[in-house]
Amino acid sequence: EAGVAQSPRYKIIEKRQSVAFWCNPISGHATLYWYQQILGQGPKLLIQFQNNGVVDDSQLPKDRFSAERLKGVDSTLKIQPAKLEDSAVYLCASSLEFGETQYFGPGTRLLVL
Amino acid sequence: QKEVEQDPGPLSVPEGAIVSLNCTYSNSAFQYFMWYRQYSRKGPELLMYTYSSGNKEDGRFTAQVDKSSKYISLFIRDSQPSDSATYLCAMSPSNFGNEKLTFGTGTRLTIIP
Repeated sequence: EAGVAQSPRYKIIEKRQSVAFWCNPISGHATLYWYQQILGQGPKLLIQFQNNGVVDDSQLPKDRFSAERLKGVDSTLKIQPAKLEDSAVYLCASSLEFGETQYFGPGTRLLVL
Repeated sequence: QKEVEQDPGPLSVPEGAIVSLNCTYSNSAFQYFMWYRQYSRKGPELLMYTYSSGNKEDGRFTAQVDKSSKYISLFIRDSQPSDSATYLCAMSPSNFGNEKLTFGTGTRLTIIP
């Protein structure tokens, strides 16, 4: 079974630029999560989708971050404009259904200069 | 005060030693307790979970929860070099178990051959 795929794996941008991350969850998984993991910290949930609907985006900085999950499969997370403090690993995870085990992708490492 | 506190380490032990990893928490609403293992440049993977006070064993791993003290532990017996990773505790207030996870900062563990 293929795992959660994410791209790109690494991204370096300058502050105020825009960036987008892509996630392809495990086939058949209805729930998709985006986490932010700052160096030396645990992952923090940014947004959770159930199929193509948002379940929880309470910790998403909506002035600069946006996410969508078209057709309930792939998802993109966008930052516009980026700040220095956005430097982190952005992890995507998926689960079969709400409340089931989450499977994480390898993450995208973002460095904002 | 953080909801979940975890000693970041790093922790280095010789191969074959017993490892003890710990987290404390302040939110009494946490009902589900998990341990994730994260290898370098990879996403976290679920190692063990439990929802009640007491011990749960899985091979060389034992998870222990003490709700009265708000304290959880992970023990690794006969530690192997392949156990070298960052270990993250995670907790959830939901009886569904894997929703609204709050992670600790992670403990970096190195097993010395």
